[in-house]
Formats: sequence, structure tokens, C-alpha cells
Amino acid sequence: DGGITQSPKYLFRKEGQNVTLSCEQNLNHDAMYWYRQDPGQGLRLIYYSQIVNDFQKGDIAEGYSVSREKKESFPLTVTSAQKNPTAFYLCASSIGGLAGTDTQYFGPGTRLTVL
Amino acid sequence: AQKVTQAQTEISVVEKEDVTLDCVYETRDTTYYLFWYKQPPSGELVFLIRRNSFDEQNEISGRYSWNFQKSTSSFNFTITASQVVDSAVYFCALSERNYGGSQGNLIFGKGTKLSVKP
Repeated sequence: DGGITQSPKYLFRKEGQNVTLSCEQNLNHDAMYWYRQDPGQGLRLIYYSQIVNDFQKGDIAEGYSVSREKKESFPLTVTSAQKNPTAFYLCASSIGGLAGTDTQYFGPGTRLTVL
Repeated sequence: AQKVTQAQTEISVVEKEDVTLDCVYETRDTTYYLFWYKQPPSGELVFLIRRNSFDEQNEISGRYSWNFQKSTSSFNFTITASQVVDSAVYFCALSERNYGGSQGNLIFGKGTKLSVKP
């Protein structure tokens, strides 16, 4: 089945630790995205990548880093510099190409809790 | 600036009632896209519909219908004969073709939590 997978589903982190969230897609999509969702809030864009080996900061990139070495993978690292990392993280992908015209499809999400 | 407003934070209905979820948007662009997503308790966002700014025809898909009105910058979503399985948070989102530092990326409203009681 084609789709987007995220792992782990739940992640616990101690303060001061870096953690990496996995996102993989087998939809052959060029574009991938990371969003953060806080309770009662909409989604906010962290980073996005329109093509392999290229990525751009979104609205709330501070304290996060990404890589895009393969088309199907877009891991997100939450660093110790992120002051309030407890949130629900959603990865998405889209066909790409002409910006703003295609539909984003989402993975099941990772819930990160800082202890 | 671009913005999506979902004024209804929570709505509660009884099964079989019709319910309309409101979405109002602001955009500088003449070419833009509007979306609705459903987020059930499991957390995954499920795509429901995409509509471009040049197509104001209303759309119906089963019990779901969407009313797009450019004159009032609204893109409302109606569920007819609601069911318990419709209980979820529903998000409206906007994507602009030409503006913004995150060009072409989604701007989300804060969502409307719909509870359908048996």
C-alpha cells in the first residue's frame, strides 16, 4: 500500500536531548513537509523540501533540523535548543512541481513528550 | 496577509442532524487553493477536498457538501445526516500560489471539533 509512515508513534525525551522523528513515503512524491500541532491549535509549518538535497525553513524552524538525502525520507531532529518541544508532529508529502497547486497527504503523526 | 478563521471551536449535534462548519479566509493572491481535512481521534489528517479560486461551483460527495463563495471569502462545509463516525476535528486550509515566504504551503485554521452524539 502506498502511504506515509512516521515512527515512533510516541516518543519521550529528557530535557537536553536531541531526538529524531522518522518520516518515510512510498508515493513517489517530490515534496515533503513537517508540521507541529499544539492542543487546540492548527498546524504550523516547521520545514519543507521540494526536492532531494534541498529544504527550506517554515514559520517555526528554530530548534529543529532536517535532511533530505533520499526522495522517500525526510527525518526531523528536535534539538535541545527547542524550548517547548512537547507537541504532535505531522509529516506530509505532495507530488510537488508547481508550488501551491497540489494536495498534501499526511502521515499518522508522532507525539513527542519532554519529561 | 493570508489567514484562515474557523470561528466555531466546538460543535455538538445529535446523530442525523445536519451541521455546517464555517471557514473564512484572507488572501492577497488571485490564485489560491482551499482545503478541508478531517482529524479523527487517531490523529492522522485525512484529506477531504481541494478547491481552486477559479471554481466556485458547490460540490457534493455523499453526505458532504461544500459551499465556496468568493464574495464573502468563505468555504463552508456541511455534513448532512451526521453520524457518530463524523466526530473529529475539521481543519480548513489555504494555499497561495504566489505569495509568502513558505510559498505554496498550507495555512491552517485552528479547527472545529465536531461531536456527534447517538
